[in-house]
Amino acid sequence: EVQLVESGGGLVQPGGSLRLSCAASGFSFSSVWMAWVRQAPGKGLEWVANIKGDGNEKYYIDSLKGRFTISRDNAKSSLYLEMSGLRVDDTAVYYCAKGFGTDRWGQGTLVTVSS
Amino acid sequence: DIVMTQSPDSLAVSLGERATINCKSSQSLLSSSNNQNFLAWFQQKPGQPPKPLIYWASTRESGVPDRFSGSGSGTDFTLSISTLQAEDVAIYYCQQYYSVPITFGQGTRLEIK
Repeated sequence: EVQLVESGGGLVQPGGSLRLSCAASGFSFSSVWMAWVRQAPGKGLEWVANIKGDGNEKYYIDSLKGRFTISRDNAKSSLYLEMSGLRVDDTAVYYCAKGFGTDRWGQGTLVTVSS
Repeated sequence: DIVMTQSPDSLAVSLGERATINCKSSQSLLSSSNNQNFLAWFQQKPGQPPKPLIYWASTRESGVPDRFSGSGSGTDFTLSISTLQAEDVAIYYCQQYYSVPITFGQGTRLEIK
Protein backbone atom coordinates (compact mmCIF):
# COMPACT_ATOMS: atom_id res chain seq x y z
CA GLU A 1 0.00 0.00 0.00
CA VAL A 2 1.32 3.43 -0.94
CA GLN A 3 1.95 5.67 2.06
CA LEU A 4 3.12 9.26 2.06
CA VAL A 5 3.70 10.94 5.42
CA GLU A 6 4.59 14.62 5.56
CA SER A 7 6.28 16.34 8.48
CA GLY A 8 8.06 19.56 9.34
CA GLY A 9 5.22 22.04 9.21
CA GLY A 10 4.57 24.59 11.91
CA LEU A 11 4.46 28.27 12.78
CA VAL A 12 7.21 30.46 11.34
CA GLN A 13 7.71 34.22 11.20
CA PRO A 14 7.72 36.10 7.91
CA GLY A 15 11.16 35.88 6.32
CA GLY A 16 11.89 32.60 8.08
CA SER A 17 12.76 29.17 6.74
CA LEU A 18 11.33 25.69 7.06
CA ARG A 19 12.13 22.24 5.71
CA LEU A 20 9.31 19.85 4.92
CA SER A 21 9.86 16.10 4.62
CA CYS A 22 7.80 13.32 3.11
CA ALA A 23 8.47 9.68 3.97
CA ALA A 24 7.32 7.34 1.21
CA SER A 25 6.65 3.60 1.25
CA GLY A 26 4.81 0.93 -0.68
CA PHE A 27 6.22 1.66 -4.13
CA SER A 28 9.50 1.97 -6.00
CA PHE A 29 10.33 5.49 -4.86
CA SER A 30 13.39 6.06 -7.05
CA SER A 31 11.41 5.26 -10.20
CA VAL A 32 8.72 7.91 -9.95
CA TRP A 33 8.26 11.63 -10.12
CA MET A 34 7.29 13.26 -6.83
CA ALA A 35 5.61 16.59 -6.21
CA TRP A 36 4.57 19.14 -3.62
CA VAL A 37 1.12 20.71 -3.88
CA ARG A 38 -0.22 23.31 -1.49
CA GLN A 39 -3.65 24.55 -0.45
CA ALA A 40 -4.15 27.85 1.33
CA PRO A 41 -6.97 27.93 3.90
CA GLY A 42 -10.33 27.82 2.11
CA LYS A 43 -8.67 27.98 -1.31
CA GLY A 44 -7.97 25.64 -4.20
CA LEU A 45 -5.00 23.45 -5.06
CA GLU A 46 -1.71 24.91 -6.25
CA TRP A 47 1.10 22.77 -7.62
CA VAL A 48 4.43 23.92 -6.19
CA ALA A 49 7.19 21.77 -7.67
CA ASN A 50 8.11 18.31 -8.86
CA ILE A 51 11.25 16.23 -9.25
CA LYS A 52 12.11 13.27 -11.45
CA GLY A 53 12.95 9.88 -9.94
CA ASP A 54 16.70 10.28 -10.37
CA GLY A 55 16.57 13.89 -9.12
CA ASN A 56 18.02 15.29 -12.36
CA GLU A 57 14.94 17.26 -13.42
CA LYS A 58 13.13 19.74 -11.22
CA TYR A 59 10.34 22.17 -12.04
CA TYR A 60 8.81 24.95 -9.97
CA ILE A 61 5.89 27.30 -10.17
CA ASP A 62 7.25 30.65 -11.40
CA SER A 63 5.78 32.66 -8.53
CA LEU A 64 8.16 31.03 -6.04
CA LYS A 65 11.06 32.94 -7.62
CA GLY A 66 13.74 30.61 -6.25
CA ARG A 67 12.60 30.71 -2.62
CA PHE A 68 11.74 26.99 -2.53
CA THR A 69 13.97 24.00 -3.35
CA ILE A 70 12.70 20.46 -3.94
CA SER A 71 15.02 17.52 -3.37
CA ARG A 72 14.92 13.81 -2.67
CA ASP A 73 16.97 11.07 -1.04
CA ASN A 74 16.18 7.82 -2.80
CA ALA A 75 18.19 5.79 -0.27
CA LYS A 76 15.77 7.01 2.40
CA SER A 77 12.66 7.09 0.17
CA SER A 78 12.19 10.67 1.21
CA LEU A 79 11.14 13.89 -0.48
CA TYR A 80 11.97 17.35 0.82
CA LEU A 81 10.94 20.97 0.34
CA GLU A 82 13.28 23.68 1.60
CA MET A 83 11.40 26.94 2.00
CA SER A 84 13.06 30.29 2.67
CA GLY A 85 11.97 33.91 2.68
CA LEU A 86 8.55 32.73 3.79
CA ARG A 87 5.63 35.12 3.36
CA VAL A 88 2.20 35.28 4.95
CA ASP A 89 0.69 34.09 1.68
CA ASP A 90 2.77 30.89 1.84
CA THR A 91 0.47 29.78 4.66
CA ALA A 92 -1.08 26.52 3.48
CA VAL A 93 -1.35 22.79 3.90
CA TYR A 94 1.52 21.29 1.93
CA TYR A 95 0.87 17.89 0.37
CA CYS A 96 3.41 15.41 -0.89
CA ALA A 97 2.17 13.57 -3.99
CA LYS A 98 3.37 10.61 -6.03
CA GLY A 99 3.71 10.69 -9.78
CA PHE A 100 3.80 13.35 -12.47
CA GLY A 101 0.02 13.26 -12.40
CA THR A 102 -0.10 13.16 -8.58
CA ASP A 103 -1.92 9.86 -8.29
CA ARG A 104 -1.43 9.41 -4.53
CA TRP A 105 -1.35 12.08 -1.83
CA GLY A 106 -0.26 12.32 1.77
CA GLN A 107 -2.39 13.83 4.53
CA GLY A 108 -0.50 17.12 4.38
CA THR A 109 1.38 19.30 6.83
CA LEU A 110 0.28 22.80 7.82
CA VAL A 111 2.67 25.70 7.42
CA THR A 112 1.60 28.94 9.08
CA VAL A 113 3.56 32.11 8.38
CA SER A 114 2.68 34.78 10.88
CA SER A 115 4.28 37.26 13.26
CA ASP B 1 0.87 28.07 -18.52
CA ILE B 2 -2.23 25.99 -19.25
CA VAL B 3 -5.30 27.55 -17.62
CA MET B 4 -8.00 25.17 -16.40
CA THR B 5 -11.51 26.57 -16.03
CA GLN B 6 -14.29 24.60 -14.37
CA SER B 7 -18.01 25.21 -14.57
CA PRO B 8 -20.11 25.68 -12.62
CA ASP B 9 -18.40 26.94 -9.47
CA SER B 10 -21.10 25.25 -7.40
CA LEU B 11 -23.82 22.76 -8.10
CA ALA B 12 -26.79 21.40 -6.16
CA VAL B 13 -28.27 18.10 -7.30
CA SER B 14 -30.98 15.89 -5.80
CA LEU B 15 -30.05 12.47 -4.42
CA GLY B 16 -30.21 9.85 -7.17
CA GLU B 17 -29.94 12.43 -9.92
CA ARG B 18 -27.05 13.05 -12.31
CA ALA B 19 -24.34 15.62 -11.61
CA THR B 20 -22.15 17.01 -14.38
CA ILE B 21 -19.04 19.14 -13.97
CA ASN B 22 -17.20 20.68 -16.89
CA CYS B 23 -13.54 21.52 -17.29
CA LYS B 24 -11.96 23.47 -20.14
CA SER B 25 -8.24 23.82 -20.79
CA SER B 26 -6.60 26.75 -22.58
CA GLN B 27 -4.75 24.34 -24.87
CA SER B 28 -5.14 20.77 -25.99
CA LEU B 29 -4.22 18.05 -23.49
CA LEU B 30 -4.18 15.31 -26.13
CA SER B 31 -0.75 13.85 -26.67
CA SER B 32 0.16 12.59 -30.12
CA SER B 33 2.73 10.25 -28.59
CA ASN B 34 0.22 8.05 -26.75
CA ASN B 35 -3.16 9.38 -27.95
CA GLN B 36 -4.14 10.09 -24.35
CA ASN B 37 -5.50 13.21 -22.69
CA PHE B 38 -3.38 14.31 -19.73
CA LEU B 39 -6.38 15.19 -17.57
CA ALA B 40 -7.27 13.99 -14.09
CA TRP B 41 -10.17 14.52 -11.68
CA PHE B 42 -9.96 14.71 -7.89
CA GLN B 43 -12.53 14.71 -5.09
CA GLN B 44 -11.83 16.56 -1.85
CA LYS B 45 -13.90 16.37 1.31
CA PRO B 46 -13.41 18.75 4.26
CA GLY B 47 -10.25 18.10 6.23
CA GLN B 48 -9.04 15.44 3.79
CA PRO B 49 -6.44 15.39 1.01
CA PRO B 50 -7.65 15.24 -2.58
CA LYS B 51 -8.63 11.75 -3.70
CA PRO B 52 -7.80 10.78 -7.27
CA LEU B 53 -10.89 9.65 -9.20
CA ILE B 54 -10.04 9.66 -12.90
CA TYR B 55 -6.86 9.79 -14.98
CA TRP B 56 -6.24 9.90 -18.73
CA ALA B 57 -9.56 11.79 -18.80
CA SER B 58 -11.69 8.65 -18.58
CA THR B 59 -9.93 5.87 -16.63
CA ARG B 60 -11.27 5.31 -13.13
CA GLU B 61 -8.80 4.81 -10.30
CA SER B 62 -8.99 1.46 -8.55
CA GLY B 63 -11.83 1.38 -6.02
CA VAL B 64 -13.71 4.37 -7.44
CA PRO B 65 -17.43 3.56 -7.87
CA ASP B 66 -18.59 3.17 -11.44
CA ARG B 67 -21.16 5.95 -11.01
CA PHE B 68 -18.18 8.28 -11.60
CA SER B 69 -17.17 8.69 -15.21
CA GLY B 70 -14.95 11.03 -17.17
CA SER B 71 -15.22 12.02 -20.80
CA GLY B 72 -13.93 14.52 -23.31
CA SER B 73 -10.84 15.14 -25.39
CA GLY B 74 -8.61 17.99 -26.47
CA THR B 75 -9.74 20.99 -24.45
CA ASP B 76 -13.20 20.05 -23.15
CA PHE B 77 -13.80 17.50 -20.43
CA THR B 78 -16.63 16.35 -18.19
CA LEU B 79 -16.94 14.52 -14.89
CA SER B 80 -20.31 12.85 -14.41
CA ILE B 81 -21.82 11.23 -11.36
CA SER B 82 -24.69 9.10 -12.60
CA THR B 83 -26.76 8.73 -9.42
CA LEU B 84 -25.73 11.14 -6.69
CA GLN B 85 -25.13 9.70 -3.23
CA ALA B 86 -24.90 11.66 0.00
CA GLU B 87 -21.21 10.76 0.32
CA ASP B 88 -20.45 12.48 -3.00
CA VAL B 89 -20.79 15.92 -1.42
CA ALA B 90 -17.34 17.41 -1.94
CA ILE B 91 -15.28 19.81 -4.01
CA TYR B 92 -14.14 18.43 -7.35
CA TYR B 93 -11.00 19.57 -9.19
CA CYS B 94 -9.71 18.87 -12.67
CA GLN B 95 -5.95 18.88 -13.26
CA GLN B 96 -3.81 18.91 -16.38
CA TYR B 97 -0.52 17.05 -16.25
CA TYR B 98 0.34 17.63 -19.91
CA SER B 99 3.04 20.15 -19.08
CA VAL B 100 4.62 22.03 -16.21
CA PRO B 101 3.50 23.95 -14.35
CA ILE B 102 0.83 21.39 -13.59
CA THR B 103 -2.39 23.31 -13.07
CA PHE B 104 -5.76 22.73 -11.46
CA GLY B 105 -9.20 24.09 -12.08
CA GLN B 106 -10.63 26.38 -9.41
CA GLY B 107 -12.88 23.64 -8.06
CA THR B 108 -16.60 22.89 -8.18
CA ARG B 109 -18.55 22.54 -4.95
CA LEU B 110 -21.18 19.80 -5.18
CA GLU B 111 -24.06 19.83 -2.72
CA ILE B 112 -27.34 18.03 -2.22
CA LYS B 113 -30.49 19.86 -3.30
